[in-house]
Parts: sequence; structure tokens; C-alpha cells
Amino acid sequence: DGGITQSPKYLFRKEGQNVTLSCEQNLNHDAMYWYRQDPGQGLRLIYYSQIVNDFQKGDIAEGYSVSREKKESFPLTVTSAQKNPTAFYLCASSPQPAQGQPQHFGDGTRLSIL
Amino acid sequence: AQKVTQAQTEISVVEKEDVTLDCVYETRDTTYYLFWYKQPPSGELVFLIRRNSFDEQNEISGRYSWNFQKSTSSFNFTITASQVVDSAVYFCALSERGAAGNKLTFGGGTRVLVKP
Repeated sequence: DGGITQSPKYLFRKEGQNVTLSCEQNLNHDAMYWYRQDPGQGLRLIYYSQIVNDFQKGDIAEGYSVSREKKESFPLTVTSAQKNPTAFYLCASSPQPAQGQPQHFGDGTRLSIL
Repeated sequence: AQKVTQAQTEISVVEKEDVTLDCVYETRDTTYYLFWYKQPPSGELVFLIRRNSFDEQNEISGRYSWNFQKSTSSFNFTITASQVVDSAVYFCALSERGAAGNKLTFGGGTRVLVKP
């Protein structure tokens, strides 16, 4: 079945460590997104990519980095510069950047600090 | 800047009761889209419905219905005859034509608890 796969489901980070969250989609979607969700709050956009080898910062990009070397993959790295990384991270994709297309979401990765 | 407000943080109902979720949005764009997503305890967001700013016709789809009113910038969502499986967090979201990359702005979410 087509969908978005995020891994791992749970991730623990030590102080000063970079960690990478994986997001893979087999929906043949052009656009991909990373969101952060804090407890009891809505989703905030970290980065998005409309096409391979191109990506843009969202509202809370500081302390994060991404790459888009393949259409199917959009990994997110949480760097040591992100001082409060504990959150639920959701990856999404949409068929094209065209306005109004609903985004499809993965199951999320829950990141905690050791 | 665009903004989405869901004033209700949590709603608790007994099974078979109707539940209405409120959503108020702010935008300066004349062309935009509104969405409702459901987030069950498993965590993923499930797309429910979409409305564009030029279509104020309200619809019913199964047990779901929505009421879009541009005059009050509201996009409310109703679950009729609620079931335990409807327990989840529901998010309202806005996408503006002027926003690059089909970006979504989310409200804070409303947690719905349906008790048997």
C-alpha cells in the first residue's frame, strides 16, 4: 500500500548529539514537509521541499536541517543547536505544491532527551 | 499573517451525542482552503475534509458535516451520533493561495472524548 513511513517510532537523544529522523514516501508526491508537535498544541512547520534538491525553511527551522536528494526521501536532522528537541515529529507529503492539495501524514517519531 | 483558532481545548460527550468543533480563521488572502484533520491516539493525522474559499455550500458526509461561513470566518465541524472511535484530537488548518509550497497553518486542536 502507498503511504509515508517514518522511523524510528521512538528516539532518544543525548546532550550535544545530532539525530536524524527518516521519512520515506511511495506516493510519488512532489512536496514533502516536516512538522513539530508539542503536547497539547498544534503543528508547526519546520522545513518543506517542493522538488528534489530544493527545500525552504518553515516557521521554526532553527536547530534543524534537511536534505532532499531523492523524491521519496526527506530526512530531518535535529542538531545539538536545537535546545528543546523533545516533541512529536510528523512528516507529510502532497501530490504537488499546488494550492489546496491535502497533505498526507506519516505515523510520527517521538523524540526525547536522555 | 494567517491564524487559526480552536477555542475548545477538550470536549467530552456520551456516545450517540452530537459534537460540534469550532474553528475561526484569519487571512488577508481572498483565495484559501480550509481543512479538518483527525489525530487518533496512534499519532498520525488523517485528512477528513477540505473546503475552498469560494464554496460556502455546507455538506454532509456520513456522520460528518461542516458549516463554512465566510462572513464570520468560521469553519465548524460536526460529528453526528458520536462513537467511541471518534475519540481523537481534531485539527482545523488553513492554506492560503499566497503561501508558497502549499503550507498549512494549524489550530491548536480540540480533544474529543466519547464515553460509552
